[in-house]
Amino acid sequence: EVQLVQSGAEVKKPGESLKISCKGSGYSFTTYWIGWVRQMPGKGLEWMGIIYPDDSDTRYSPSFQGQVTISADKSITTAYLQWSSLKASDTAMYYCARLRRAVTGTLFFDYWGQGTLVTVSS
Amino acid sequence: DIQMTQSPSSLSASVGDRVTITCRASQGISNYLAWFQQKPGKAPKSLIYAASSLQSGVPSKFSGSGSGTYFTLTISSLQPEDFATYYCQQYNSYPYTFGQGTKLEIK
Repeated sequence: EVQLVQSGAEVKKPGESLKISCKGSGYSFTTYWIGWVRQMPGKGLEWMGIIYPDDSDTRYSPSFQGQVTISADKSITTAYLQWSSLKASDTAMYYCARLRRAVTGTLFFDYWGQGTLVTVSS
Repeated sequence: DIQMTQSPSSLSASVGDRVTITCRASQGISNYLAWFQQKPGKAPKSLIYAASSLQSGVPSKFSGSGSGTYFTLTISSLQPEDFATYYCQQYNSYPYTFGQGTKLEIK
């Protein structure tokens, strides 16, 4: 059974750093891209970026480039999303999701993690 | 970035009804379109990819169509568990953008 299990909720202060995780199991972790999606309170879904764990090839949305870092450790089948200096506007639910490759080479989400709530408040 | 626009933003319907949600792309995306369902406090669930292909385990009451810039999601015989927010997403080009969502509520 494919599972993506995310780390628990976090409460941080502005300026602090944070790294949240997404552990994949039940499939070949290195042969599927993993993506991150933000959902701010009461708002819609925003595509942040994706990573290919086998070689750490990464694609970012321009809206998030330079604001976050996506990484992966294939030895422990875990992907990460990290911030070096959090802002109050980073308060949101963050989801990881697996991407499946179509025969055309395009990538679409299939399985999702349960989400990690990040709250940034002084 | 490709802009995805869903309509309506909200929709009221009754159990047993058939509803259709539309999604328009700001430029052609072939059939690289996915649909997701999200219930309050839950993670999104993948429903459809390639505009009309059902994800594994998704019931056939959900159907999708379209190509280019115009897409639809149709849900037949609505049941209480179908009332949720639905999102479309293009995966033709980076960044893979979502529509703003359509909230389907019980009338």
